[in-house]
Amino acid sequence: GDSVTQMEGPVTLSEEAFLTINCTYTATGYPSLFWYVQYPGEGLQLLLKATKADDKGSNKGFEATYRKETTSFHLEKGSVQVSDSAVYFCALSKDYKLSFGAGTTVTVRA
Amino acid sequence: EAGVAQSPRYKIIEKRQSVAFWCNPISGHATLYWYQQILGQGPKLLIQFQNNGVVDDSQLPKDRFSAERLKGVDSTLKIQPAKLEDSAVYLCASSLVAGGDNEQFFGPGTRLTVL
Repeated sequence: GDSVTQMEGPVTLSEEAFLTINCTYTATGYPSLFWYVQYPGEGLQLLLKATKADDKGSNKGFEATYRKETTSFHLEKGSVQVSDSAVYFCALSKDYKLSFGAGTTVTVRA
Repeated sequence: EAGVAQSPRYKIIEKRQSVAFWCNPISGHATLYWYQQILGQGPKLLIQFQNNGVVDDSQLPKDRFSAERLKGVDSTLKIQPAKLEDSAVYLCASSLVAGGDNEQFFGPGTRLTVL
């Protein structure tokens, strides 16, 4: 079935460091891809999405490009802040269903 | 705009007891979802409603879990009887229309501990 595999955490970075979280997917057809973020004490919220191959989603300095050839949707940010500390979930949507990866915990130190 | 509301936020029960969770979606959102998130895993869809009808409940353990969405607004999820492995965070989400491409808005979740 359709599934998402993302980089295991936890990841600890210093402020202004470069962040990348790997995400690969398995699906037939052409799913849409998402990154959701969960800040401490809050609910999941959509960070960015891409609905077709070669699309780039971006928001709050984060970017991810839908790569069909490598079935990947890696999340990147060039300079992280303490406020980016959160759990990040990669997800795919197909047949009206959202399937999530296990989540990657990111901690940014001042 | 008010977000998705859930209650209670935390619940501790003993195995074989029953428990119920409540969700109030964003006003006007036709689609409502319940997810189970076990520690260290991503959320797993339990059931999806479109208005007051069930669209997908293939992952719902129907021998002990039940859910309803009367009048197509609020929803309750019940577990009876609870097992140890039901310890998890139960998330409710809603979206304006059905379809995974449509952004789902999540509530804060209910953390259930079964002793």
